[in-house]
Amino acid sequence: SQQGEEDPQALSIQEGENATMNCSYKTSINNLQWYRQNSGRGLVHLILIRSNEREKHSGRLRVTLDTSKKSSSLLITASRAADTASYFCATDWGAQKLVFGQGTRLTINP
Amino acid sequence: EAGVAQSPRYKIIEKRQSVAFWCNPISGHATLYWYQQILGQGPKLLIQFQNNGVVDDSQLPKDRFSAERLKGVDSTLKIQPAKLEDSAVYLCASSQGPSSFFGPGTRLTVL
Repeated sequence: SQQGEEDPQALSIQEGENATMNCSYKTSINNLQWYRQNSGRGLVHLILIRSNEREKHSGRLRVTLDTSKKSSSLLITASRAADTASYFCATDWGAQKLVFGQGTRLTINP
Repeated sequence: EAGVAQSPRYKIIEKRQSVAFWCNPISGHATLYWYQQILGQGPKLLIQFQNNGVVDDSQLPKDRFSAERLKGVDSTLKIQPAKLEDSAVYLCASSQGPSSFFGPGTRLTVL
């Protein structure tokens, strides 16, 4: 399977703290993407990192990619209650076809 | 810009019945996807269209699932007959580049 695997499966932190979640995958990829899914809502694209990039930032999000280890991490800084959601990594290994991991459930406690 | 539209939002049926879902992608997006998301899991790709042609349907259970994309725009996904294990959220997505835009999904419950 080409599926990415997120770690941890669940994460609970206090508001204002940083949240880090990791994704590992099995084969070479064109790019890796992170999506967020709030309870009862569809998936929203957060950030894309290409295979020739090592780090990317978008607002409070920081994504790293290590192709030698086939892994990626998503860091959310200064977390807010609104960041409570499930986060999925998705790997694109060609033909714009995404394979999603199982997700990390993030809970931000006030 | 309007997002991806899906209907219905919820559907409850009994096993062995038929059901159909509809998706209207973002205007101009050539690629359309249907995903199945079982509770607690990530989305699984069922079928990918490029315009009105099928790019990948390797994970579509073709004995009971079918999908079409008329005129390269709207798409329908049908299940006939439904099984208990088909209970899931069915997500439609469209793209014109590497990232995808998802609709709100249809939550299907099979009793």
